[in-house]
Amino acid sequence: DAGVTQSPTHLIKTRGQQVTLRCSPKSGHDTVSWYQQALGQGPQFIFQYYEEEERQRGNFPDRFSGHQFPNYSSELNVNALLLGDSALYLCASSQQGFSEQFFGPGTRLTVL
Amino acid sequence: AQSVSQHNHHVILSEAASLELGCNYSYGGTVNLFWYVQYPGQHLQLLLKYFSGDPLVKGIKGFEAEFIKSKFSFNLRKPSVQWSDTAEYFCAVNVWGYQKVTFGTGTKLQVIP
Repeated sequence: DAGVTQSPTHLIKTRGQQVTLRCSPKSGHDTVSWYQQALGQGPQFIFQYYEEEERQRGNFPDRFSGHQFPNYSSELNVNALLLGDSALYLCASSQQGFSEQFFGPGTRLTVL
Repeated sequence: AQSVSQHNHHVILSEAASLELGCNYSYGGTVNLFWYVQYPGQHLQLLLKYFSGDPLVKGIKGFEAEFIKSKFSFNLRKPSVQWSDTAEYFCAVNVWGYQKVTFGTGTKLQVIP
């Protein structure tokens, strides 16, 4: 049984560019949450998707957007990248109705 | 908005020492509480969780945590640590009925053989 998978593993972009990160949830899970983890910090909640809709959003600007597909996989898009967007982006999946979240390995984004 | 404080950023212990990592949260309503662990080179994984019921919860690998509502605390404990417990530990809180999970800044535990 595959756990949560994320792609790519690492990514380097320059300021002003746009990036798309991908996540496939654990089998049987229908809810995907995205987190940003800056160096030396705990993960910060970006948003959560269920039934292809954003359910709740953390304190992140509109440059951060997402999507969930009918197969429950999800994308995180970040537009107009800033140096401060450099971080590890984590995807976590769970079953509908809050329960234990399973985390993926993350995508390390570096913005130059 | 809820917040989570982890008081110790870096803890160094010898094997067989006892461990207690502090965690306090700020929210007056009903919460779900979690401890996650990240071993070197691995994903974040759940150590234990508290949703309701017995405030003393037991997790994997001999860890336990006690929820003290009056103190807004959820401290993690282990009677005797092993070198393999070297990892970063994160406390997290979720307000019941909402999706957002708020994490603390983490505590790096180093166990010396």
